[in-house]
Amino acid sequence: DAKTTQPPSMDCAEGRAANLPCNHSTISGNEYVYWYRQIHSQGPQYIIHGLKNNETNEMASLIITEDRKSSTLILPHATLRDTAVYYCIVRVVTSGTYKYIFGTGTRLKVLA
Amino acid sequence: DAGVIQSPRHEVTEMGQEVTLRCKPISGHDYLFWYRQTMMRGLELLIYFNNNVPIDDSGMPEDRFSAKMPNASFSTLKIQPSEPRDSAVYFCASSSGQGQFLNYGYTFGSGTRLTVV
Repeated sequence: DAKTTQPPSMDCAEGRAANLPCNHSTISGNEYVYWYRQIHSQGPQYIIHGLKNNETNEMASLIITEDRKSSTLILPHATLRDTAVYYCIVRVVTSGTYKYIFGTGTRLKVLA
Repeated sequence: DAGVIQSPRHEVTEMGQEVTLRCKPISGHDYLFWYRQTMMRGLELLIYFNNNVPIDDSGMPEDRFSAKMPNASFSTLKIQPSEPRDSAVYFCASSSGQGQFLNYGYTFGSGTRLTVV
C-alpha cells in the first residue's frame, strides 16, 4: 500500500513561507500526489497535485523529490487564513478498488 | 455555482432512530462520493456513484448504512438504526471529467455533523 507520513503539527509566522513535508516512500510510479487542506468546520479543499515535476499554482508550490519518495508543499507567504489541516494524499489499491487515503494530516498554525 | 450542498448541517438524534443525510452535487458532475470523518479514523470514503449508479460501497461500515442516488442532482445517506458510534461529520463530494481523481474540480460540501445520543 502507498501511504503517507506527515508531521502532526507545524507553526509558521505570518508572511513567511510554510514548508509542509510528506513521505510517500511506497508510491507507485504512475500515481499522483495530491494536497488538500481542511479549514475548521469546512470540507477539504483542493490545493495542488503532481506526478514527478515540480508544480505551482496560485495557491502553492509542490516540490517532488526525484525518487518520488517524498514531497513538500510550499505556501510562499502564509497568512492567518492558511491555518488548517493539510493532507498529503496518494491513491492505493485495496481489494481491486482504488481509494484515496487522507491520513491524519499536518495541522498548520499561522502565527501573527 | 453554489457548490455541493448538504443538509442538514447539524443533526442530533437518539440511538435507534433513522437518520437521513442529503446531498446535492454540482450540476454537471457525474461522480458523487460520501465520506465520514472522525477523530479516530480520519476521513474515510464510504461509497461513490457514477452516473447515479453505485460503483464501490466497500467502505460502508455495515448494513445499517445505505445510500441512494435517484437522479443526477440528489443523493441520500441513511443510517437505520443509528448508534452513538455513528457520530461523525459526513461529507459529500462531487466531480466530473476525470471522475474519481482528486484533481481540481473535485469539490466537497460543508458536511453534516451527526451526533447520536
